[in-house]
Amino acid sequence: NAGVMQNPRHLVRRRGQEARLRCSPMKGHSHVYWYRQLPEEGLKFMVYLQKENIIDESGMPKERFSAEFPKEGPSILRIQQVVRGDSAAYFCASSPLQSGGRGGYTFGSGTRLTVV
Amino acid sequence: ELKVEQNPLFLSMQEGKNYTIYCNYSTTSDRLYWYRQDPGKSLESLFVLLSNGAVKQEGRLMASLDTKARLSTLHITAAVHDLSATYFCAVDSGTASKLTFGTGTRLQVTL
Repeated sequence: NAGVMQNPRHLVRRRGQEARLRCSPMKGHSHVYWYRQLPEEGLKFMVYLQKENIIDESGMPKERFSAEFPKEGPSILRIQQVVRGDSAAYFCASSPLQSGGRGGYTFGSGTRLTVV
Repeated sequence: ELKVEQNPLFLSMQEGKNYTIYCNYSTTSDRLYWYRQDPGKSLESLFVLLSNGAVKQEGRLMASLDTKARLSTLHITAAVHDLSATYFCAVDSGTASKLTFGTGTRLQVTL
């Protein structure tokens, strides 16, 4: 059981470039969540997806950020025209049920995005 | 809007001592999670508390949940250096299917 796989682990982008972050949920998990963690802070919810559907994107910035979870392949968090303030760790979590259930949520290792 | 507060934010304690981290939240919820995070690493799930009065223990850590008081505690018994990390509580707002995290408690256990 490979767990939640995120890649890349580290990503450096210049201001104005695009960043693509990938997340493959645990086997058997069909619910995916993205969180952002700024230095010295807790994680903040961004978006919740199931296959081919965005369920809750209330934490996503209105511009430049988008997420998808296609029928085949990993979930993608896409940040267009990155700015320095986007520098953060982005974590993906998955669960077998809505609301985590008894097993809770399993987190990936995160992608650390640095915008230079 | 659900708010989750942890205290203390920073805790320095000697090996062998006991201490408690508190997690208060602002709206009704009966699902609370505790995670550990080492610097530069991901979150490791420690406890999942799913009902009022739930108490779980693993090694030197014990977590409890009082949904009426909207309070969870993480108790550390006879701390050891290996427990040094940041501990987060997170509350699941039920049908919303998203976690709201506390600010974290950075624990440093000194020899």
